[in-house]
Amino acid sequence: EVQLVESGGGLVQPGGSLRLSCAASGFTFSSYSMNWVRQAPGKGLEWVSYISSTGRTTYYADSVKGRITISRDNAKNSLYLQVNSLTVEDTAVYYCARANGYSSSRLDNWGQGTLVTVSS
Amino acid sequence: EIVLTQSPATLSLSPGERATLSCRASQSVGRYVAWYQQKPGQAPRLLIHDASNRATGVPARFSGSGSGTDFALTISSLEPEDFAVYYCQQRSDWPPYSFGQGTKLE
Repeated sequence: EVQLVESGGGLVQPGGSLRLSCAASGFTFSSYSMNWVRQAPGKGLEWVSYISSTGRTTYYADSVKGRITISRDNAKNSLYLQVNSLTVEDTAVYYCARANGYSSSRLDNWGQGTLVTVSS
Repeated sequence: EIVLTQSPATLSLSPGERATLSCRASQSVGRYVAWYQQKPGQAPRLLIHDASNRATGVPARFSGSGSGTDFALTISSLEPEDFAVYYCQQRSDWPPYSFGQGTKLE
């Protein structure tokens, strides 16, 4: 069974930083591209970042570019998201999601999410 | 940048009725559209991929259609557990992924 478990969320002050983690199991992690998707309270889904299976290719949404770094450790079956210079607009549940299909077109498995709250 | 627009924002129906949700892309995305269901407090669940293919375990009452810029998700006969928020998602060169704003089925 595919499992994705996020951790690392919490309450942080504006301007602070967090490192989110996603532990993967039940599949060959190194064969799949991965993504982070976030959802602000009461709002819709927002794609944040993508990383290829090898980690060589990364993409970031314009709204977070320059403040966020996605990475992965295939030996540890883990995905990470480093978020810096946090603002209240970054308050959201952050999901990791596995990409699958031709051109990694669909997100077929999601974690339960980790809540990041930015507040003074 | 490709933008997805879903309609209606809210759809009010009763169990047993047929639901049709729409998703329009600002430019062609071929058939690279997926649909997700999200219930309160839960992560999104993949329902449909590549416009019309049901994901594993998804009931046959869910179907998807469309190509290019116009897509639809149809639920043939609503069950009580189908009342949720539905999102469409596209895959393209840029942004790599984007979602519609969602349709609440109530």
